[in-house]
Amino acid sequence: AQTVTQSQPEMSVQEAETVTLSCTYDTSENNYYLFWYKQPPSRQMILVIRQEAYKQQNATENRFSVNFQKAAKSFSLKISDSQLGDTAMYFCAFMKTPTGANSKLTFGKGITLSVRP
Amino acid sequence: DAGVTQSPTHLIKTRGQQVTLRCSPKSGHDTVSWYQQALGQGPQFIFQYYEEEERQRGNFPDRFSGHQFPNYSSELNVNALLLGDSALYLCASSFRGLAGGMRNEQFFGPGTRLTVL
Repeated sequence: AQTVTQSQPEMSVQEAETVTLSCTYDTSENNYYLFWYKQPPSRQMILVIRQEAYKQQNATENRFSVNFQKAAKSFSLKISDSQLGDTAMYFCAFMKTPTGANSKLTFGKGITLSVRP
Repeated sequence: DAGVTQSPTHLIKTRGQQVTLRCSPKSGHDTVSWYQQALGQGPQFIFQYYEEEERQRGNFPDRFSGHQFPNYSSELNVNALLLGDSALYLCASSFRGLAGGMRNEQFFGPGTRLTVL
């Protein structure tokens, strides 16, 4: 079974600064996908960024980038130029490479990020 | 293009009652997954439906059951409600298609907040 660990329950960052959210996972699989989801107070879960384990290059999406360390089973999210709208709960999630029915997401407990004006 | 929709938004039930939650997937999607999110926790996978059949199931008792209709919409039923069933129930849709492979991104609905008294 896969596990996802987010050990920091809360973080705070000043607007325009950079913040890094940590995530570690455990799996015996070699091929899989990792995701960061954002859940604002409005509750809608939104995909921020994803990384395929077979890709060595770290994924980037505008101000969001990841540091994927496969050997260490670490998957951190860096948010640059933080904005007030980034205030939300952030979840790290794991999915086996979907073949047939293996497409469920396993989530960490989440981290609450507050961006201060 | 409508995203994933869920109804109702909020629901209050008493212990022992039964509840039905509904989900309409994003246009073009054929797979629906259900997750339970307790307060302050990450979502936990309940089950997934594709081609009107349950394809995967998480560690939830038989009191949790579901259904998928020919138009790909889905229902989650919970019988004999317990206080511990109080949570946000999230529906996520994705596209699996006929070939058996799957685009792995899951799009989430806004959720149904269930309170059991």
